[in-house]
Amino acid sequence: AQRVTQPEKLLSVFKGAPVELKCNYSYSGSPELFWYVQYSRQRLQLLLRHISRESIKGFTADLNKGETSFHLKKPFAQEEDSAMYYCALKNFNKFYFGSGTKLNVKP
Amino acid sequence: GAVVSQHPSWVICKSGTSVKIECRSLDFQATTMFWYRQFPKQSLMLMATSNEGSKATYEQGVEKDKFLINHASLTLSTLTVTSAHPEDSSFYICSIRREGRTGELFFGEGSRLTVL
Repeated sequence: AQRVTQPEKLLSVFKGAPVELKCNYSYSGSPELFWYVQYSRQRLQLLLRHISRESIKGFTADLNKGETSFHLKKPFAQEEDSAMYYCALKNFNKFYFGSGTKLNVKP
Repeated sequence: GAVVSQHPSWVICKSGTSVKIECRSLDFQATTMFWYRQFPKQSLMLMATSNEGSKATYEQGVEKDKFLINHASLTLSTLTVTSAHPEDSSFYICSIRREGRTGELFFGEGSRLTVL
């Protein structure tokens, strides 16, 4: 069975500091992984997906199959990055989410 | 604009009653919709996959007779919480996946159910 783990419930950093939100997964097949974000009073939305190897809003995430990780990183956090971040794994047609990490970027 | 619309956004009901939550795809036809449940400060738990024109498939541990799902059209799926009890109080979120795109889910705004 698949499992997505986000060990940190809350991550607080100062503006301009680097940030890394951790995500580990367990899955027997070849994983497709995503990061979703939920800003205050908004609905969940896609931030990025590993297959696109893209940088969105300065965020990147690299799939590390050896460590079964998909950590989300940004070199310089901004206050507007404060939100809930969810790591998700796609298993065939279904998506399974981690417990989420609340990122708080302080001024 | 919004791709998915959920209604109602907030509902309070008495124990023993049934509550229906609607999920509408506004932008495209959705043969598949997903229903999630979110407890306070916890993750989204996939409850079931709603399939247009056929029976929903439920995740392990989810009572299909308790959470009735109907996907009668390509733009509407409904979740009915039958004989609701206080432990059913939660945040229910639907989502749809656009066919042809590799994995982007669009989410509804969620429906908060409070059972007294």
